[in-house]
Amino acid sequence: NAGVMQNPRHLVRRRGQEARLRCSPVKGHSHVYWYRQLPEEGLKFMVYLQKENIIDESGMPKERFSAEFPKEGPSILRIQQVVRGDSAAYFCASSRSGERSGYTFGSGTRLTVV
Amino acid sequence: GQQVMQIPQYQHVQEGEDFTTYCNSSTTLSNIQWYKQRPGGHPVFLIQLVKSGEVKKQKRLTFQFGEAKKNSSLHITATQTTDVGTYFCAGYGGSQGNLIFGKGTKLSVKP
Repeated sequence: NAGVMQNPRHLVRRRGQEARLRCSPVKGHSHVYWYRQLPEEGLKFMVYLQKENIIDESGMPKERFSAEFPKEGPSILRIQQVVRGDSAAYFCASSRSGERSGYTFGSGTRLTVV
Repeated sequence: GQQVMQIPQYQHVQEGEDFTTYCNSSTTLSNIQWYKQRPGGHPVFLIQLVKSGEVKKQKRLTFQFGEAKKNSSLHITATQTTDVGTYFCAGYGGSQGNLIFGKGTKLSVKP
């Protein structure tokens, strides 16, 4: 009964490199959400996806950030040309449906840009 | 857009004391959820409240949803060191229904 699996747990990138964060939702969950958390701060919504569709990306920066949830395989959050300000914890969550169920969060990916 | 506000930001209590965190939304909520995040951990779903005026209990935790469905509270009776963490409320916002989180209340418990 695996929960949300995120990898890697920790990721170090130099400025200008690309970061790829992966998220496999709970089996049977078709809704995936990405959140970003800075130290001592709350969870900031980034993007909401269903299989092969981006439902809401209003929280995602227009440049350098992209997300996908393909028909097969995990959801990917991609950050191109990372900068120091991208350093944060990125959490993925999944749910069976939208408003009727709580989210199951993964353990997060801690991204450090050096 | 919708905002979810939580107070206080921090709360330090002596073990055995009670603790309450409050959540307010700028708009009426269809439901509200509460999560707990331990230090270094990830948010864990605690409960969802749907009905106006609803009160739910989980052992020492009591959750309330306001009559107008714009506020909520979480009360912990006789805190223990295992209660340490940050408590977040969250309500649905956005055009497609994603959760908007408050900034959380960080609880520390002194033994």
